[in-house]
Amino acid sequence: SQQGEEDPQALSIQEGENATMNCSYKTSINNLQWYRQNSGRGLVHLILIRSNEREKHSGRLRVTLDTSKKSSSLLITASRAADTASYFCATEGGTYKYIFGTGTRLKVLA
Amino acid sequence: DAGVTQSPTHLIKTRGQHVTLRCSPISGHKSVSWYQQVLGQGPQFIFQYYEKEERGRGNFPDRFSARQFPNYSSELNVNALLLGDSALYLCASSSQGYNQPQHFGDGTRLSIL
Repeated sequence: SQQGEEDPQALSIQEGENATMNCSYKTSINNLQWYRQNSGRGLVHLILIRSNEREKHSGRLRVTLDTSKKSSSLLITASRAADTASYFCATEGGTYKYIFGTGTRLKVLA
Repeated sequence: DAGVTQSPTHLIKTRGQHVTLRCSPISGHKSVSWYQQVLGQGPQFIFQYYEKEERGRGNFPDRFSARQFPNYSSELNVNALLLGDSALYLCASSSQGYNQPQHFGDGTRLSIL
C-alpha cells in the first residue's frame, strides 16, 4: 500500500508561476525524497531531505519537512514547460525500502 | 558513466506464462531495488537486494522472485502471470548506506493478454 499521499493530485499553472505540491506520510522516517517522472519514463531523483533537516534548496527547488506533522512540500519556482511531469515523494524508514506516494501531475502551460 | 539499464523495454505475455526482467545497476552500486508501477499510481516496492542478499521485500505474492548476481546485476522473475501484473517494472540502484538517492532505469513495460 502507498504510504505517502501527494496533494493536489493534479496541478495546472502558467509558465513562470510557482508550483507547490505537498506530501503526507504515516510512519517515522530516516529521509524523504522527491522524484520527477516524465510520461512512460523512469524516475529522476530531485532532492533528499534527512529527518533532522527542515528545509533544503536545489536550484529552483525548495523542499520543507515537518516531521511533527509528517508532511513535506516541494516548491518549484519560475516554472517552465519542461517541468511538466508527475512528482512523487518517497519515504525511507530504516527498512531498506522506499515507499512512494500517489503523485502530483503537474502541467505547465506555455 | 552509464545509468541503470533494463531489458527488455517492452514485453507482451499471456496469462499463465512466466517472465524474466533484467537490470544492470550503475557501476559501483551494490544495491538494486525493484518496483511495480501500475498506470496512474506511484511505484510499489517489490524487493531490494544488497550484496546478493535479499534485504527487503514488499507485499507481493510468492510468484514474484528475484536474485542478484556477483556483478550486482539483477533479475526479477514473475510466474503464472495474471492480467493484473500488467505494469511498468522499474529497477533502481543506489550506493550503500542510508540516505542515498535511488537511480532509476526507464523500466520494462509488461503487457499481459
